[in-house]
Amino acid sequence: GNSVTQMEGPVTLSEEAFLTINCTYTATGYPSLFWYVQYPGEGLQLLLKATKADDKGSNKGFEATYRKETTSFHLEKGSVQVSDSAVYFCALSKNTGNQFYFGTGTSLTVIP
Amino acid sequence: AAGVIQSPRHLIKEKRETATLKCYPIPRHDTVYWYQQGPGQDPQFLISFYEKMQSDKGSIPDRFSAQQFSDYHSELNMSSLELGDSALYFCASSPRGTETDTQYFGPGTRLTVL
Repeated sequence: GNSVTQMEGPVTLSEEAFLTINCTYTATGYPSLFWYVQYPGEGLQLLLKATKADDKGSNKGFEATYRKETTSFHLEKGSVQVSDSAVYFCALSKNTGNQFYFGTGTSLTVIP
Repeated sequence: AAGVIQSPRHLIKEKRETATLKCYPIPRHDTVYWYQQGPGQDPQFLISFYEKMQSDKGSIPDRFSAQQFSDYHSELNMSSLELGDSALYFCASSPRGTETDTQYFGPGTRLTVL
């Protein structure tokens, strides 16, 4: 079946530290992969996505590369800020009009 | 840019009552999804609609029903509410064309069942 396994949190980093949140997936065929971010009390916001192998999604300094050989889509940022504190969800989508499969979410806290 | 609108944002109900949640997708989005997120949990897919027809079904209880209307808005009807139904309910929509695999989420409706 389809599933996403995400690095467990919580993660606490100092400002300007390097961030990696691991995400691996299981799916048949060629899913699209996504990272969503959820700030406290808010909905899910699309952070970035990649639709095929070797694609790199990027937004707001965050990057993730679709690696089919390792079935991974790890999220990285070179220098985190306090405002990046949120919960990050990795997700996959198999087909249009069908459900997303989410990872369990990783809570990130960035301290000054 | 217009976003997905959900109403109400907060709802408090008693056990065994009914609730109706509404979702207004982004203009020109024809697919709507409903998710349930319990405290500290990842969102769980409930149901989706494409062009007013149910397109996929997840872990939606039989006590819940949903539909999509001619203007593409959707309503999630929840009956015989239980304490365990307390959660954040998200609606998402996706567009026609090249981005049909991307879902845009609304702010959610927080349902509390007492």
